[in-house]
Amino acid sequence: EPEVTQTPSHQVTQMGQEVILRCVPISNHLYFYWYRQILGQKVEFLVSFYNNEISEKSEIFDDQFSVERPDGSNFTLKIRSTKLEDSAMYFCASSEAGVSYNEQFFGPGTRLTVL
Amino acid sequence: AQSVTQLDSQVPVFEEAPVELRCNYSSSVSVYLFWYVQYPNQGLQLLLKYLSGSTLVKGINGFEAEFNKSQTSFHLRKPSVHISDTAEYFCAVNTGGFKTIFGAGTRLFVKA
Repeated sequence: EPEVTQTPSHQVTQMGQEVILRCVPISNHLYFYWYRQILGQKVEFLVSFYNNEISEKSEIFDDQFSVERPDGSNFTLKIRSTKLEDSAMYFCASSEAGVSYNEQFFGPGTRLTVL
Repeated sequence: AQSVTQLDSQVPVFEEAPVELRCNYSSSVSVYLFWYVQYPNQGLQLLLKYLSGSTLVKGINGFEAEFNKSQTSFHLRKPSVHISDTAEYFCAVNTGGFKTIFGAGTRLFVKA
């Protein structure tokens, strides 16, 4: 069964450093998403991406965040200058085009630890 | 705006007992509803979904949920739980847009 994959599974970085989290969505999906989950809290929407542009973003997704589809398979989330409060689990998701119910398939997550 | 309320943050239950995890949503438009399970240190796995049609939906691992439009609820049930069901359960709603809204989660703790 096709699945969303994410790398790395765990990333440790120093405050102020840039990190790039990578995702490979399901191959025939055209919508891509990033969510985050701070430890012990709910899963929060960050951004959605379609046709090489952001379609919706939350207030969390400020100027330090960016997303990109650098090639036909990868989808990345970049955090330019990490802060302690960016420590969280980051989930990538993807969904098909052309269906109304937008079932999103989630990857296993990348745990980001900012020291 | 949509919102999801999971009424219980923790639910302790003995093995082989039935369990119900409660979820209420708020939306002014039609919704699609989902339950996800998260085992410790793992990602989100879809348990079941309500898209349309029958209001009783069955999912994996013996779970089922009932969509009640008048009460705006989508409670998750299992008639007999196992130790392996210990996990965090998230109710989520989508209105066909880009964003899925998650509840705060319910931690199910199954005791022997």
